[in-house]
Amino acid sequence: AQRVTQPEKLLSVFKGAPVELKCNYSYSGSPELFWYVQYSRQRLQLLLRHISRESIKGFTADLNKGETSFHLKKPFAQEEDSAMYYCALKERSSGSARQLTFGSGTQLTVLP
Amino acid sequence: SAVISQKPSRDICQRGTSLTIQCQVDSQVTMMFWYRQQPGQSLTLIATANQGSEATYESGFVIDKFPISRPNLTFSTLTVSNMSPEDSSIYLCSAADGGLGRPQHFGDGTRLSIL
Repeated sequence: AQRVTQPEKLLSVFKGAPVELKCNYSYSGSPELFWYVQYSRQRLQLLLRHISRESIKGFTADLNKGETSFHLKKPFAQEEDSAMYYCALKERSSGSARQLTFGSGTQLTVLP
Repeated sequence: SAVISQKPSRDICQRGTSLTIQCQVDSQVTMMFWYRQQPGQSLTLIATANQGSEATYESGFVIDKFPISRPNLTFSTLTVSNMSPEDSSIYLCSAADGGLGRPQHFGDGTRLSIL
């Protein structure tokens, strides 16, 4: 069965400092990985997905199959980045979509 | 991306009662899911709502406790039955289209408190 691990429950950095939110996964097949973000009092929303290889709000994440990791990085953190971040995995297979398996989340606080 | 509306947004219920949560998507979607997010916890999948057939439940969740309906491709309901304080949680509806790389989108959630 697939599993997503976010080892840090809480993470604090100062504004302008680099930030890395760790995510490791275990899955026997080829997964799709996502990062979701939940700002205070807002709904859970997609931040980025590995398949798009995109940068959103300055965040990037690279899928490292050798280390089974999908860490989220930003070179210069901003106060508005403070939020709960969830790493999520979906089975990658042809046919119908599969549900997401979520990590436990990391609460990021960016200090002024 | 699909816009998902849930109602009620919150409710306070008495022990032993049942509550039905509605989820409306603004476009037809292949998949709909129900998640639970207990206080301070991550999201746990309750079930996949299947259009025109019985929902597929995850381990630890049963139909008698969480009956689900999905009469069409844009609407689903989740009922929390015979509620107890342990059912106090946020219940989230999610929707996705099939295919690789298609993300899931989430509603605002229903915050449920049982006295």
